[in-house]
Amino acid sequence: EPEVTQTPSHQVTQMGQEVILRCVPISNHLYFYWYRQILGQKVEFLVSFYNNEISEKSEIFDDQFSVERPDGSNFTLKIRSTKLEDSAMYFCASMWQGSGKLFFGSGTQLSVL
Amino acid sequence: DQQVKQNSPSLSVQEGRISILNCDYTNSMFDYFLWYKKYPAEGPTFLISISSIKDKNEDGRFTVFLNKSAKHLSLHIVPSQPGDSAVYFCAAKVAYDMRFGAGTRLTVKP
Repeated sequence: EPEVTQTPSHQVTQMGQEVILRCVPISNHLYFYWYRQILGQKVEFLVSFYNNEISEKSEIFDDQFSVERPDGSNFTLKIRSTKLEDSAMYFCASMWQGSGKLFFGSGTQLSVL
Repeated sequence: DQQVKQNSPSLSVQEGRISILNCDYTNSMFDYFLWYKKYPAEGPTFLISISSIKDKNEDGRFTVFLNKSAKHLSLHIVPSQPGDSAVYFCAAKVAYDMRFGAGTRLTVKP
């Protein structure tokens, strides 16, 4: 069964450093998402991406965040200068047009020290 | 962002009994509602969904009910099994915008 793949599974970084979280969505999906979950809290929407541009973003997704689909298969989330409060599990998801069903990756646990 | 609310952070039921998980929403534009299940260290996985034009959808042990006038949906699991123990997220969609509730941790005791 096709699945969304995220790498790395764990990322440890120093505060102020840049990180790139990588995702390979399911190949025929058209909509792509990043969510995050801080330990013990809800799954929070960050950004949605369609047709090579951001469709919607939340208030969390400030200027320190960016997304890119550089080669038609990878979908990346970049945090330019990490803060302690960016520590969370980051989930990538993709959706086939109109299905309403998001398929999630296993997540990248980001720890900012 | 409180468009989707799950007010019960946890629920504990006995094996074989019914589990009822509740969810409320505020945005009347949502056109599709979904339930996701999440185990520790894994991403959420799709469980069951319902279109806004329906009031019930059933899939095996899982049934989702939608009450649009009350902006409320619920997930019924019957009979509950220990393997159902997980965090359940309610989600609601308008177009391609999907929002999640905070989740309810279900524990099914043998």
